Order: sequence, then C-alpha cells, then structure tokens
Amino acid sequence: DTGVSQNPRHKITKRGQNVTFRCDPISEHNRLYWYRQTLGQGPEFLTYFQNEAQLEKSRLLSDRFSAERPKGSFSTLEIQRTEQGDSAMYLCASSLATRWDRGYNSPLHFGNGTRLTVT
Amino acid sequence: KNEVEQSPQNLTAQEGEFITINCSYSVGISALHWLQQHPGGGIVSLFMLSSGKKKHGRLIATINIQEKHSSLHITASHPRDSAVYICAVRGGSQGNLIFGKGTKLSVKP
Repeated sequence: DTGVSQNPRHKITKRGQNVTFRCDPISEHNRLYWYRQTLGQGPEFLTYFQNEAQLEKSRLLSDRFSAERPKGSFSTLEIQRTEQGDSAMYLCASSLATRWDRGYNSPLHFGNGTRLTVT
Repeated sequence: KNEVEQSPQNLTAQEGEFITINCSYSVGISALHWLQQHPGGGIVSLFMLSSGKKKHGRLIATINIQEKHSSLHITASHPRDSAVYICAVRGGSQGNLIFGKGTKLSVKP
C-alpha cells in the first residue's frame, strides 16, 4: 500500500497563472475526493469522483476550477487565472466504496496535500 | 453557525493526562469521522463511527446520535499525540464530508 500521493507538495505561482495538481489514489480505490483547507480552518469539500465519473461538485468550485479523472485512476485539479484567495492546501483522499455500503462506511485515506501560494 | 462545532479550539496538556475533545453537529448524519492532522498537512483517519464506541490503542471515540455529539478521548497522553484533531460528518451526500475547524492539541513532556 503506497498510500495516496499528491504532486507537487508546494506550488508558488503568480496571480493570473494556471496551475495543475495531481493526485494518485490507492490503486484499488474507486472513490477520489478533493478538498481545500485554509489556515486555521477544517477542510472544505470541492468535488468527488466514482471511477471516472465526477458525481458531485461543491458550490465552492468556481468556473476557474476543473477536475478530471480520465481513466478512473489518477486525478488532476486545475485552477485557471489564479487569485490570491486560492492560496490554500489542496487535499486529495480516496476510498473503496462497495455497492453494499455506497461509500458511507468506507474510511478515507488522505494524501499529504499540495500547498498553493498565489503571489 | 457551523454545522460541525468542535471544542476546545486549543488544548494544552501535560504528558500522561486524560484528554477529551468534543464534537457537536446539527445535521443528520450517516457516519462521523475523527481525523488527525500533523504539521505539514498529512491527515490520518482515526475512527469512523455511526453508533456506540470504538477503541484503538489509547484512543477512544464515542457517539450519541440522539444528542448529535461525539467525543474523542486520549488516555495517557504523550507528546507525539500533539496534532490537530478534526471531526467530520457525512450527511446525505455520499461525497460531501462536513468538517469541523479542528482542535489543536499540544502535549507537554
């Protein structure tokens, strides 16, 4: 079990630039989640995938944000035209949901996050 | 008002003390998670529970569904327990976990 891997660990970018983050979940996990965490706050849900299908998006996910999971394995989160308010830790998590528990009873495994700083 | 409230926000304890962190929530839930976050960001899932009590080593988590309240207890605390402990609830949405702001625990030797 290599765990959930996120790259890069840190990203510093200038306002207006585009950035892309990658998450590699635990290989057999079918669910993949993206969260955002600002300093002193708990994580906030952004979006999640079941296999390659994006099943839910938060209202927090503006048009500048897009997430993909093209082959149902790794996922990318892209932020276009970054703003200073996008500075945060972006966390990815994965889980294995079965048709019996529909994901309610599946523990989450988190990556170490990508810390984005927009200057 | 946040849907998930944790108390206290900050907690300092001496090594060996018994620690309790509380979580109250206002929404209907299917499961509650306790998570541990160390400096640097990595989050580890400690417990997921929907009723009763779970124990793992020195950690105990309880939940009272009627009162919409959960507690995380740490017995014989140790400096390595120093971290932020986060409560999160899963409501009707399968994907959306609602997180508390966390409790920052510092255990002094």
